[in-house]
Amino acid sequence: QKEVEQDPGPLSVPEGAIVSLNCTYSNSAFQYFMWYRQYSRKGPELLMYTYSSGNKEDGRFTAQVDKSSKYISLFIRDSQPSDSATYLCAMSAPQGGSEKLVFGKGTKLTVNP
Amino acid sequence: DTAVSQTPKYLVTQMGNDKSIKCEQNLGHDTMYWYKQDSKKFLKIMFSYNNKELIINETVPNRFSPKSPDKAHLNLHINSLELGDSAVYFCASSQGPGQLYEQYFGPGTRLTVT
Repeated sequence: QKEVEQDPGPLSVPEGAIVSLNCTYSNSAFQYFMWYRQYSRKGPELLMYTYSSGNKEDGRFTAQVDKSSKYISLFIRDSQPSDSATYLCAMSAPQGGSEKLVFGKGTKLTVNP
Repeated sequence: DTAVSQTPKYLVTQMGNDKSIKCEQNLGHDTMYWYKQDSKKFLKIMFSYNNKELIINETVPNRFSPKSPDKAHLNLHINSLELGDSAVYFCASSQGPGQLYEQYFGPGTRLTVT
């Protein structure tokens, strides 16, 4: 079982739809949970991060973490064509006295006008 | 003002050649990283340096050798390039090794080995 599982999609929605993106994980040692957005041929861009179980909201984006189920989600409200990108979940794990990020494979989202 | 920059943006080379990629960050961060993103978009850490000291070295062939001349720069030298090295290589930085939750990525270097 991979440490982080993410459905690669692709996911195609009409403009204005609510989008739900999800990841599951197996490592209980993961501490921080992040969502990155990556436009085509660009570097990943940090959207949000959370630490504890619960919800965190930033504008149209809501990140949700359920540590008991080892499940994280990103919700996008009122989706826009400019949200079309690949969304990567990432989690921080201890690594020999330091930490590293483990990424999901990304979900490709297209928002159609 | 580019926070994390990489050169070159594109690199096309033949098998067996040696090449280098350079990374610079102007965020004042202490920690820098190299990631490899394969054709399926899977992003995996290769190395991490904190204040010029190597702190993470994933299972990467020893043909890959990172070097950090100072904490604002991290270079990646690849010897004897192979077809499987074709990927996008991203540099990233964070304030410290325990602050991965705010990691900033460069634009990537697309390496094609023919």
